[in-house]
Amino acid sequence: QSVLTQPPSVSGAPGQRVTISCRGSSSNFGAGYDVNWYRHLPGEAPKLLIFGDNRRPAGVPARFSGSKSDSSASLAITGLQAEDEGDYYCQSSDTTLRAIFGEGTRVTVL
Amino acid sequence: QVQLVESGGGLVKPGGSLTLSCAASGFTFREYYMSWIRQTPGRGLEWVAYITSTGSSIYYADSVKGRFTISRDNAKNSVYLQMNNLRADDTAVYYCAREGDTSSWYWDYWGQGSLVTVSS
Repeated sequence: QSVLTQPPSVSGAPGQRVTISCRGSSSNFGAGYDVNWYRHLPGEAPKLLIFGDNRRPAGVPARFSGSKSDSSASLAITGLQAEDEGDYYCQSSDTTLRAIFGEGTRVTVL
Repeated sequence: QVQLVESGGGLVKPGGSLTLSCAASGFTFREYYMSWIRQTPGRGLEWVAYITSTGSSIYYADSVKGRFTISRDNAKNSVYLQMNNLRADDTAVYYCAREGDTSSWYWDYWGQGSLVTVSS
């Protein structure tokens, strides 16, 4: 059982805004550890979307944004596109478990 | 460009051993910390092991501690994962990944993965 909780799925129409939540605890987010976000498509390497809570690597569109508050974090995707479909994972560190991942959220573009 | 290419996966019986390799190119390998991360069927991503740039510090997930060994050869731009006493729940796609910033615990580049299947 993961210590980071994500919804199993979210969906939206093209052009809409969707958000993916990631709930942590006092031993990870609450302890000041950053949240990072990845997208994983079947058969491909996971791709870093957000690091350090809200920073985008070069080449990641501004449509992707991250935020964190207390023991929760979220990833927002604005202007949803068909290519955004995939599995999204939040990730952080923990005082006892080193690196931890959320269970993943499947994003579907309707 | 940064490339990470895993190899060495395959089918192994429970209790068996396997060694994964990851060949890195496109960056100064000796300056980066590296990790192995796996995706198990239906269970998402799980961090497995971590090694600093010189190999002076190594960390393991509790699920593999005592059975898996991570190592690296900076002269060969490669990182390895030796897996012993394999169990069915070690079945997964194993990715090697480069840490984005020193001690940041996030990964900016990942390989395509190597499938390990543990079954009799």
